[in-house]
Amino acid sequence: GQSLEQPSEVTAVEGAIVQINCTYQTSGFYGLSWYQQHDGGAPTFLSYNGLDGLEETGRFSSFLSRSDSYGYLLLQELQMKDSASYFCAVRDRDDKIIFGKGTRLHILP
Amino acid sequence: NAGVTQTPKFRVLKTGQSMTLLCAQDMNHEYMYWYRQDPGMGLRLIHYSVGEGTTAKGEVPDGYNVSRLKKQNFLLGLESAAPSQTSVYFCASSRTGRYNTQYFGPGTRLTVL
Repeated sequence: GQSLEQPSEVTAVEGAIVQINCTYQTSGFYGLSWYQQHDGGAPTFLSYNGLDGLEETGRFSSFLSRSDSYGYLLLQELQMKDSASYFCAVRDRDDKIIFGKGTRLHILP
Repeated sequence: NAGVTQTPKFRVLKTGQSMTLLCAQDMNHEYMYWYRQDPGMGLRLIHYSVGEGTTAKGEVPDGYNVSRLKKQNFLLGLESAAPSQTSVYFCASSRTGRYNTQYFGPGTRLTVL
């Protein structure tokens, strides 16, 4: 079956750096994405990795290792507004996009 | 651009009733998706479409039907609602399947009593 594993919760301090990991098992693999969702809101796209390596977008970076079926989202200079749920998602060979169960990020002042 | 819109925003149904959720996008996207989100379960794909006139099953398709008669619209139907279908439903669209950038609608909160 297809599955994505990510921690259910992570806590960090404002101004610090936090890493959210994601491991996946899918039938075919065509890229790993990350989405952010605030309480009561809709998911919004953060980052996409189609190839191995690091992608950087401002304070957010995402990494992919296809040989390890593993990726992570790195958030730097944490701000209180970063308190949200973060989801990894993969596209499989049937064009289905499957999401992980999400990681709730708590930020302490 | 309105992006992705969903109608209605809230709905309460009784068990056995039927309803249709409408998703519309004005970005000329080929791909559209319906997800449900339950606490602790993340987003689960119900059905999706890779183009006008096409539909395909996702992870949790039972109890739902979909139609994509026009490129900009993707309808999700519940023929006989059950309490297990109480959830928040999100529609999303993307330009193609190659790029994973999905744009989500604001969601529909459905309660089945």
